[in-house]
Amino acid sequence: DTGVSQDPRHKITKRGQNVTFRCDPISEHNRLYWYRQTLGQGPEFLTYFQNEAQLEKSRLLSNRFSAERPKGSFSTLEIQRTEQGDSAMYLCASSSRTRREQFFGPGTRLTVL
Amino acid sequence: AQRVTQPEKLLSVFKGAPVELKCNYSYSGSPELFWYVQYSRQRLQLLLRHISRESIKGFTADLNKGETSFHLKKPFAQEEDSAMYYCALSGNGAGSYQLTFGKGTKLSVIP
Repeated sequence: DTGVSQDPRHKITKRGQNVTFRCDPISEHNRLYWYRQTLGQGPEFLTYFQNEAQLEKSRLLSNRFSAERPKGSFSTLEIQRTEQGDSAMYLCASSSRTRREQFFGPGTRLTVL
Repeated sequence: AQRVTQPEKLLSVFKGAPVELKCNYSYSGSPELFWYVQYSRQRLQLLLRHISRESIKGFTADLNKGETSFHLKKPFAQEEDSAMYYCALSGNGAGSYQLTFGKGTKLSVIP
């Protein structure tokens, strides 16, 4: 499968726990993006990488959130001390060097109890 | 600040009727506009981008810079068109790669 993949697809956790999500982009894509989507809303941008460099972060990305892309391939998004307000679908997308359209993964649905 | 507005949360049309999903944007420059579609239990997928000016699954969208709009149209709706549709904007400057999405319109095609 050459599409964007995300793991896990679903995560249920208790408030205060840490969670980590993984995204594998399309192999030749150098840009990788994280978005968050809540019910009734479109995806909202969180952060973006070009190769291994994190170039942009949204104000939505509180200091409890951290993202990495250590080798310019897969990326992880960690949320520390989760809160109920973190419950959402977390989407990953990637794009190539030459085109702006982004290809999305299936998402990770996080539920914080 | 860039913003995308989709005024209709839900649009219901009969099969065979024309469809128009509205999208208006706010951006101080020349943006790149996209339509994404999400079918039930599937991932978000690109439907079309304004630069390519192509027609996908019978859908077209024209960028109107004067009205800052990028409405999605199809002359004859099909049942398989029922889905969530999102309009999205990307800046055209270096580093402006993030997408800003509207809240989406749910299209329901009645058989």
